[in-house]
Amino acid sequence: AQTVTQSQPEMSVQEAETVTLSCTYDTSESDYYLFWYKQPPSRQMILVIRQEAYKQQNATENRFSVNFQKAAKSFSLKISDSQLGDAAMYFCAYRSAGLNAGNNRKLIWGLGTSLAVNP
Amino acid sequence: DSGVTQTPKHLITATGQRVTLRCSPRSGDLSVYWYQQSLDQGLQFLIQYYNGEERAKGNILERFSAQQFPDLHSELNLSSLELGDSALYFCASSVAWGSTGELFFGEGSRLTVL
Repeated sequence: AQTVTQSQPEMSVQEAETVTLSCTYDTSESDYYLFWYKQPPSRQMILVIRQEAYKQQNATENRFSVNFQKAAKSFSLKISDSQLGDAAMYFCAYRSAGLNAGNNRKLIWGLGTSLAVNP
Repeated sequence: DSGVTQTPKHLITATGQRVTLRCSPRSGDLSVYWYQQSLDQGLQFLIQYYNGEERAKGNILERFSAQQFPDLHSELNLSSLELGDSALYFCASSVAWGSTGELFFGEGSRLTVL
């Protein structure tokens, strides 16, 4: 079974600085997706960034980028120029993508990292 | 706005009672997922439906049940409620084949059992 591990329960960063959140996962599959979701105090779950396992290029969305190391099963999130609005819980998630997954493609979640942004 | 609608947003009830949470997926999405998020256990997958049929079951208690209707909306029924059932219940939807893998989440239904 697949597992997702976020080893940092809490992190903090100064406004305008850069922070990296760690995520490792375990799987025997070769085709999958990885996600970072953000959950602000409003509790809405918001997709931050997505990575397809078959793509070697790291995904980037504005100030958010990932360091995807497939062999090491590592998927870290870098937030550049941190803003106060980035303060939230960040979840790393895994989802199967191969044909064998069929329509059973539930997300498997890490326990989250709480990010505080200090002014 | 994700396009996924959940009602009610907040619900307070007593132990032993039964509640129904409702979810309308994004237009065109055939899959609906239910997740429970409690303070001490993170996000737990409960159940998935695809086009009206149950496709996967997670850590869903026997006191809980769900269904997806022909119009693709889904309901999660929680009965004989206990204090420990207090949590945020998320519904998410996705297309099936050919998707980018993303799940789109509703805003959640916060259940408080007193």
